[in-house]
Amino acid sequence: KNEVEQSPQNLTAQEGEFITINCSYSVGISALHWLQQHPGGGIVSLFMLSSGKKKHGRLIATINIQEKHSSLHITASHPRDSAVYICAVGNTDKLIFGTGTRLQVFP
Amino acid sequence: DVKVTQSSRYLVKRTGEKVFLECVQDMDHENMFWYRQDPGLGLRLIYFSYDVKMKEKGDIPEGYSVSREKKERFSLILESASTNQTSMYLCAISGRRNSYNEQFFGPGTRLTVL
Repeated sequence: KNEVEQSPQNLTAQEGEFITINCSYSVGISALHWLQQHPGGGIVSLFMLSSGKKKHGRLIATINIQEKHSSLHITASHPRDSAVYICAVGNTDKLIFGTGTRLQVFP
Repeated sequence: DVKVTQSSRYLVKRTGEKVFLECVQDMDHENMFWYRQDPGLGLRLIYFSYDVKMKEKGDIPEGYSVSREKKERFSLILESASTNQTSMYLCAISGRRNSYNEQFFGPGTRLTVL
């Protein structure tokens, strides 16, 4: 069993839909990251959080430390949100990555 | 803005060749990482370095070596490339050793070994 599990693996949505991506982990952590990877490879950090909730524009990330679970929500989704979303956890300098959720948003 | 650059976006090499992948940062960050990314497996840590001339093995170091002669530069070396090293290679940096930091990624190098 992987230490970081994401669901779903693939997700398609119509423009405007509310989207949720889930991440569960089995190790103790200091913080959890949500990353975005567009076609072509570059990875961008969206959030780093250790408790509660963070919001940036249409993106919201929540974490429940007791349940070892995090969610990434996208409100009013847009085709430009199409990307792979990666959850990563860590408690030292090193991160453990999930395998990613591929999101496609159609107009 | 943090800038992490990698020497090539795409690279094609032949089996047995020695391959150098270079990562350069402009942020004076201590920690530098090399990952490979394969479909269905996610990112896996090959090596990392927390200081000049220091290196530590990650989860999959076999077949790779690294060099960090200057703080801003971290090189990944494939001594004798093999087809199973065809992959996307990503460099990342983060701040200070042993403190929890956001990681910043380079654009990646897609390596094909024929």
